[in-house]
Amino acid sequence: NAGVTQTPKFRILKIGQSMTLQCTQDMNHNYMYWYRQDPGMGLKLIYYSVGAGITDKGEVPNGYNVSRSTTEDFPLRLELAAPSQTSVYFCASTRDRYSYEQYFGPGTRLTVT
Amino acid sequence: AQSVTQPDIHITVSEGASLELRCNYSYGATPYLFWYVQSPGQGLQLLLKYFSGDTLVQGIKGFEAEFKRSQSSFNLRKPSVHWSDAAEYFCAVGANYGQNFVFGPGTRLSVLP
Repeated sequence: NAGVTQTPKFRILKIGQSMTLQCTQDMNHNYMYWYRQDPGMGLKLIYYSVGAGITDKGEVPNGYNVSRSTTEDFPLRLELAAPSQTSVYFCASTRDRYSYEQYFGPGTRLTVT
Repeated sequence: AQSVTQPDIHITVSEGASLELRCNYSYGATPYLFWYVQSPGQGLQLLLKYFSGDTLVQGIKGFEAEFKRSQSSFNLRKPSVHWSDAAEYFCAVGANYGQNFVFGPGTRLSVLP
């Protein structure tokens, strides 16, 4: 199993550009999450999904959108990039509502200038 | 809503010395508690977790943690630190059947040779 994979690893965007961060897991996990990590702030939940077709907002959803058309994929969309979105983004998954153990991808480092 | 604090932003220890990283949480019900480690440029890896039962839990890489309900704490310990333990450590609390994880701000561990 590859676990949770994320692409790209690094990206530089100009203000106002858009992009999609890709996340795929091959563990047949139902729950998937997107976090952002800023220095000294820990991880903040952006969006999560409890299954294909179901998504919900986390703590910091503004400026982002997600979709979940399949169990495996959970892309994160930035429509109008802003400097405040400069961060490291992590995707994670858990098997179901009872497992709690999260598996993390390697992260995407995004810089918006 | 739950919250997690890690009072120490940065800790430096000598190789071979013992280690204790502090974690305090706030949550109204029985918490599900976790410690994750993040090596530079990597995603988060689960060290150990507490769901119920024995309040002293063992994890990978020789780490252990003790849940103390009266102190709302879940401190991480290791009797003898290795240089490879230098990383950032995050405490987290889970709730709402996997729909909500809250991470602490992290403690960066440096190890002196």
